[in-house]
Amino acid sequence: DVKVTQSSRYLVKRTGEKVFLECVQDMDHENMFWYRQDPGLGLRLIYFSYDVKMKEKGDIPEGYSVSREKKERFSLILESASTNQTSMYLCASNSRGGGYNEQFFGPGTRLTVL
Amino acid sequence: AQSVTQLGSHVSVSEGALVLLRCNYSSSVPPYLFWYVQYPNQGLQLLLKYTTGATLVKGINGFEAEFKKSETSFHLTKPSAHMSDAAEYFCAVRTYTDKLIFGTGTRLQVFP
Repeated sequence: DVKVTQSSRYLVKRTGEKVFLECVQDMDHENMFWYRQDPGLGLRLIYFSYDVKMKEKGDIPEGYSVSREKKERFSLILESASTNQTSMYLCASNSRGGGYNEQFFGPGTRLTVL
Repeated sequence: AQSVTQLGSHVSVSEGALVLLRCNYSSSVPPYLFWYVQYPNQGLQLLLKYTTGATLVKGINGFEAEFKKSETSFHLTKPSAHMSDAAEYFCAVRTYTDKLIFGTGTRLQVFP
């Protein structure tokens, strides 16, 4: 059974803290994605990685950075958390294929920044 | 450029009634289209997808969608709603890479 796991389901942090969200996939996928999900806005892409150490900004990268040192792991970093980063964060992965291949999603991390 | 519009942020149906969730897209490349479902407190899972070939696509849980190029639509239907269908549904279109553009979602409520 294919799997994308995220390190935490719920996280509460304080403004200004550095926050790490971890995502691991066991499908040997080249591509990994971090999305943010907010009511009425759907899913918005934060960052995309198409290979180890390779990354591409998505639609809303401001305030975020990412790291991909190993193929199976993709980390999202909030350098200095702010209240407007309170949201649901979803990680996904798929194999390279010109948009043909479905993305597999993790269960999500609900982050609250106080 | 690619975009997706989902008409209706909330849809309510009675159990046993037809489910129709609307999705219109815009794409500058041949469209690959996806419907995902999100149950409460879970991630998204694929319901069905259209890439090439047959324009009527069947998915899991009795859902299907029809690709209509002339109408730039990919509406999701199910003949008879079940209580377990209550969830949020997202339509998505591929970009020229492996990225997807998602719609804003439609929350389906099913009443007994």
